Amino acid sequence: EPEVTQTPSHQVTQMGQEVILRCVPISNHLYFYWYRQILGQKVEFLVSFYNNEISEKSEIFDDQFSVERPDGSNFTLKIRSTKLEDSAMYFCASRGTGTSGNTIYFGEGSWLTVV
Amino acid sequence: SQQGEEDPQALSIQEGENATMNCSYKTSINNLQWYRQNSGRGLVHLILIRSNEREKHSGRLRVTLDTSKKSSSLLITASRAADTASYFCFTGFQKLVFGTGTRLLVSP
Repeated sequence: EPEVTQTPSHQVTQMGQEVILRCVPISNHLYFYWYRQILGQKVEFLVSFYNNEISEKSEIFDDQFSVERPDGSNFTLKIRSTKLEDSAMYFCASRGTGTSGNTIYFGEGSWLTVV
Repeated sequence: SQQGEEDPQALSIQEGENATMNCSYKTSINNLQWYRQNSGRGLVHLILIRSNEREKHSGRLRVTLDTSKKSSSLLITASRAADTASYFCFTGFQKLVFGTGTRLLVSP
């Protein structure tokens, strides 16, 4: 079964460093998402992306965050200058269109630790 | 809002027992979906039920939908330790807004 894949599975970074989390959505999907989950807390929506632009973003998704679809397969989340509070599990997700577009599929997540 | 509200917040049962969790929502819907999240892992789509359906089965899962009461239930039969997870319901599909879910603990 097709799946969303994310790399790295775990990254440790120094505060202030830039981090790029990578995602390969399901190949024929057109809608892409990033969510995050701080340890012990709810999953939070960050951003949705469609047709090469952000369609919606949350208050969390400030200027330190950016997303990009650099080629036909990857979808990346960049955090420019990481803070301790950015430590979380980041989930990428994708969705198709038509009758198969009702379901959002999630990756296994990238665990980011900022020290 | 595309968030459902799951109830109970926590459920603890023994292996082999059935687990029932409920979901309430506020707006009219086209479909309702249930997801599972094992601790620290990604979210897995379990089942989708459309607004014109009243009941749907998938393996050990049974979902019911009552649009007049704006509620749904998820029944897991013959539960296993591997069913230990948090369960979430959502209406729509544009953007999922997570609540706290139902935390199910299945003890051997």
